[in-house]
Amino acid sequence: NAGVTQTPKFRVLKTGQSMTLLCAQDMNHEYMYWYRQDPGMGLRLIHYSVGEGTTAKGEVPDGYNVSRLKKQNFLLGLESAAPSQTSVYFCASSPGQGFNQPQHFGDGTRLSIL
Amino acid sequence: DAKTTQPPSMDCAEGRAANLPCNHSTISGNEYVYWYRQIHSQGPQYIIHGLKNNETNEMASLIITEDRKSSTLILPHATLRDTAVYYCIVRVALLTQGGSEKLVFGKGTKLTVNP
Repeated sequence: NAGVTQTPKFRVLKTGQSMTLLCAQDMNHEYMYWYRQDPGMGLRLIHYSVGEGTTAKGEVPDGYNVSRLKKQNFLLGLESAAPSQTSVYFCASSPGQGFNQPQHFGDGTRLSIL
Repeated sequence: DAKTTQPPSMDCAEGRAANLPCNHSTISGNEYVYWYRQIHSQGPQYIIHGLKNNETNEMASLIITEDRKSSTLILPHATLRDTAVYYCIVRVALLTQGGSEKLVFGKGTKLTVNP
């Protein structure tokens, strides 16, 4: 039972570099989400997807892009990393819409931008 | 978003029941109460949720008052591994596209289970 798997777990980048964070889920969930967590600020939604081939912006989408080419994978890209993007990134998935559908999270990717 | 109020910290002895309260006086009729926890450096872990009836699963029990303005998460036999920050969430905001939702985490309750 892998659930939601995020890779890599840790990464250090230099300002201006690019990278992609991968989220994979094996629960056949329709919805997937990317959050970031900063000290004292809780989780903030970056982008989300309501199905294969769809994406939408969340609260803090600037500087990030996403793709959902396969139902089980949701990729988060940083085209030109900035120090303000230093954070812990969490991916989540849920079966579908509605108040009765809990989200399940991965263990996070810790990203430092120097 | 409905506001939740939780005590910032609580202590519990190992093997005893941990009762974590949450006030949500502005909850509306179709909003569920969700509980998550976050153990240091790990992702938020779903625990339980409910609408108006009490709920129980392998991890915990959820007691919701009849007026739905407050709830209590009960860990029946707390262990050291239950030390974590516990979040009570009652507003899962519907986003416009696709009818999806986001979770709004507050500051939660830091539960420390002592040996």
